[in-house]
Amino acid sequence: EAGVAQSPRYKIIEKRQSVAFWCNPISGHATLYWYQQILGQGPKLLIQFQNNGVVDDSQLPKDRFSAERLKGVDSTLKIQPAKLEDSAVYLCASSLALGQEQYFGPGTRLTVT
Amino acid sequence: AQSVTQPDIHITVSEGASLELRCNYSYGATPYLFWYVQSPGQGLQLLLKYFSGDTLVQGIKGFEAEFKRSQSSFNLRKPSVHWSDAAEYFCAVVSPTSNYQLIWGAGTKLIIKP
Repeated sequence: EAGVAQSPRYKIIEKRQSVAFWCNPISGHATLYWYQQILGQGPKLLIQFQNNGVVDDSQLPKDRFSAERLKGVDSTLKIQPAKLEDSAVYLCASSLALGQEQYFGPGTRLTVT
Repeated sequence: AQSVTQPDIHITVSEGASLELRCNYSYGATPYLFWYVQSPGQGLQLLLKYFSGDTLVQGIKGFEAEFKRSQSSFNLRKPSVHWSDAAEYFCAVVSPTSNYQLIWGAGTKLIIKP
């Protein structure tokens, strides 16, 4: 069974530029999550989808971050414009359903200079 | 609100020694509990989970955890650690009152002495 796929693995951009991350969850997983993980900290949930609907985006900085999961499968997370404090690893995870174990992708390490 | 506490930021053990990482949670009903491991530069890997039933749970890589309701704990154990176990370990609990999100502990960094 293929795991959660993410791309790119690494990205370096200048502040005020835009960037997009892509995630393909495990086949059949209804729930998809985007997390931000700053070095030395635990993951912080940004947004949670159930199929193509948003369950929770209360911690997503909506003035600069957006995410979509149009067909209920893969998802993109965008940052526009980026700030220095957005430097982090962005993790995507999926689960069969709400409350079930989450499986994580390898993450995208973003550096904003 | 649910919370998870991992009291140890760092733990150092010698290769071959036993390991116990502590995790305490706050939740009134029977929780769904998880342990994840994150090696440097990697994503998070599920080690084991507890939903119900037998309170001693076996996981991958020789790890086990024991759910103790009376102590609100879910400690992770391994009888003999290997250098490859050096990583960060996170305990997490599902929060049914917050859209079934995972509430994460701050993590414990495991350092292995040769």
